[in-house]
Amino acid sequence: DARVTQTPRHKVTEMGQEVTMRCQPILGHNTVFWYRQTMMQGLELLAYFRNRAPLDDSGMPKDRFSAEMPDATLATLKIQPSEPRDSAVYFCATEGGFPSYNEQFFGPGTRLTVL
Amino acid sequence: ILNVEQSPQSLHVQEGDSTNFTCSFPSSNFYALHWYRWETAKSPEALFVMTLNGDEKKKGRISATLNTKEGYSYLYIKGSQPEDSATYLCAHYNNNDMRFGAGTRLTVKP
Repeated sequence: DARVTQTPRHKVTEMGQEVTMRCQPILGHNTVFWYRQTMMQGLELLAYFRNRAPLDDSGMPKDRFSAEMPDATLATLKIQPSEPRDSAVYFCATEGGFPSYNEQFFGPGTRLTVL
Repeated sequence: ILNVEQSPQSLHVQEGDSTNFTCSFPSSNFYALHWYRWETAKSPEALFVMTLNGDEKKKGRISATLNTKEGYSYLYIKGSQPEDSATYLCAHYNNNDMRFGAGTRLTVKP
């Protein structure tokens, strides 16, 4: 059953704490995207990787956000320190190769609440 | 940075009505255009991947067309049903970038 998994599904934390969100791509998918869903911005691209190398992270606040792909089966998005305005749903999506004709497959999302 | 625009922002129709909405994108260096359906509290799911000018794709009551020269794609829903209520997103790819539009939120009233 090929699907993108994300953990945790929900996270409540206090301002200033570090948050780590994880994504497991579909096996064989070499492109990973991180999105943030907010009421104001809709679906916002934060960063994406191809073959584990970051291609574009211009959508990400660099001072507090970092995205990595330590191996082909794990992508992480970290926020340190977290702030209330980071509260959102964070989606990971993967694709068979960019640029490609393949659609993106989205994970279930991590709902983050920063108090 | 790509400028991908979708219109209208939201749409309310009656069950049985047919409807359509638009995705506009820069026509230069076009590579692909994707349509996604995003139901509330769920993840986006792909509807169509379109790559060639003049492409027409169909899935049940939903179809899409693509005009890469003028930079737009239409999504059509024939005989809307309440279960079609969702946000419909388009994503435009050029050679080295990809952006989603803000989506069209469709509500179908029974």
